[in-house]
Amino acid sequence: AQKITQTQPGMFVQEKEAVTLDCTYDTSDPSYGLFWYKQPSSGEMIFLIYQGSYDQQNATEGRYSLNFQKARKSANLVISASQLGDSAMYFCAMREGGFSGGYNKLIFGAGTRLAVHP
Amino acid sequence: EAGVAQSPRYKIIEKRQSVAFWCNPISGHATLYWYQQILGQGPKLLIQFQNNGVVDDSQLPKDRFSAERLKGVDSTLKIQPAKLEDSAVYLCASSDIEGLDSPLHFGNGTRLTVT
Repeated sequence: AQKITQTQPGMFVQEKEAVTLDCTYDTSDPSYGLFWYKQPSSGEMIFLIYQGSYDQQNATEGRYSLNFQKARKSANLVISASQLGDSAMYFCAMREGGFSGGYNKLIFGAGTRLAVHP
Repeated sequence: EAGVAQSPRYKIIEKRQSVAFWCNPISGHATLYWYQQILGQGPKLLIQFQNNGVVDDSQLPKDRFSAERLKGVDSTLKIQPAKLEDSAVYLCASSDIEGLDSPLHFGNGTRLTVT
């Protein structure tokens, strides 16, 4: 069964510094996708970045990058040059490719609350 | 493009009452999802539709929860009767193609409080 673990309930970082949010996953499916979402206090879930299991390079989107270590089954999110607006909950999620030809559901970790201090 | 629309934004009911939530996905998105997010937890999938057919409802408490997606567009999620443990944010999401890399686009959610 697929599983996502985020071990940091809360993190804080100084403005303009970089921060790493941890995510480990468990799956026996060789084909899977990993996502990171941001959830501000207003409640909407905002898609940040995607990494496929067969991607050779780490994904990057602006200030967001994904440190993908396949052998260790980790997909950590790195936010560079933190801004006050980055304060939010961050969720790691995974979707397996599935053996039946379809795609399995997207499952989420418990999340990490990030606080950016001025 | 317009995002995923959900209503109401907030709802307070007493236990054993019924409640319904509405979702309008992004135009053209074939796949629609309902997630339940209990305070302090990550979202949990309740049901997934592909057009107007159910793909996955394995975690939907079918004795009290029901959902439909008529004509493959709008969807409603109903709880009857509600329990205290149903207090949560109910998130609707949609995606345009069913690919491994297809991100879900979420609405703002409905915050349900059961007293």
